[in-house]
Amino acid sequence: DTEVTQTPKHLVMGMTNKKSLKCEQHMGHRAMYWYKQKAKKPPELMFVYSYEKLSINESVPSRFSPECPNSSLLNLHLHALQPEDSALYLCASSQTPGQGNTEAFFGQGTRLTVV
Amino acid sequence: AQTVTQSQPEMSVQEAETVTLSCTYDTSENNYYLFWYKQPPSRQMILVIRQEAYKQQNATENRFSVNFQKAAKSFSLKISDSQLGDTAMYFCALNSNTGNQFYFGTGTSLTVIP
Repeated sequence: DTEVTQTPKHLVMGMTNKKSLKCEQHMGHRAMYWYKQKAKKPPELMFVYSYEKLSINESVPSRFSPECPNSSLLNLHLHALQPEDSALYLCASSQTPGQGNTEAFFGQGTRLTVV
Repeated sequence: AQTVTQSQPEMSVQEAETVTLSCTYDTSENNYYLFWYKQPPSRQMILVIRQEAYKQQNATENRFSVNFQKAAKSFSLKISDSQLGDTAMYFCALNSNTGNQFYFGTGTSLTVIP
């Protein structure tokens, strides 16, 4: 199983809503990532979890709250988002934190629209 | 600091022809790894090819090969016998052993013309 599974695939939410994005992998990877991607742009790193601990937070606003309940699961909790937060949210995982030779496996992303 | 630069925002190629996508990078690390990722309209980023900086031999994966020039900090991707399914955004990326994040270039949108 070399898949990273993200749910939901599409999400429309109002600015007062609370929602969560889910990411799951069963490859035994111990590094997991959240990226935000706008159209025709590269992914922008948001958070990195290494061995289930938050290791990198790229100064992301607090309306985005990550959570890593176990080594296979990564969540992104959303609250009070703004329309400019509309984007494709990508989850990725890689085998061993701090070993740059391992590739990142990406999910298909969640297309988020904030109205 | 690590940076990755792709200077070709858009490119096109005739089906069955060969195309080369450019990438330059900057890093102070001695041990690092370079990747080309493909993102088709279906959205999922897929690894195309990987190169270890300590290896002099250029990586090859079927129709995809790289020209890795370490001194020039250049890492170009050559696609031979282009196919319609190669139409996608291509991102060059760098990772090092001292960090734990992938640094992406701005991407090249490649269109294969039938």
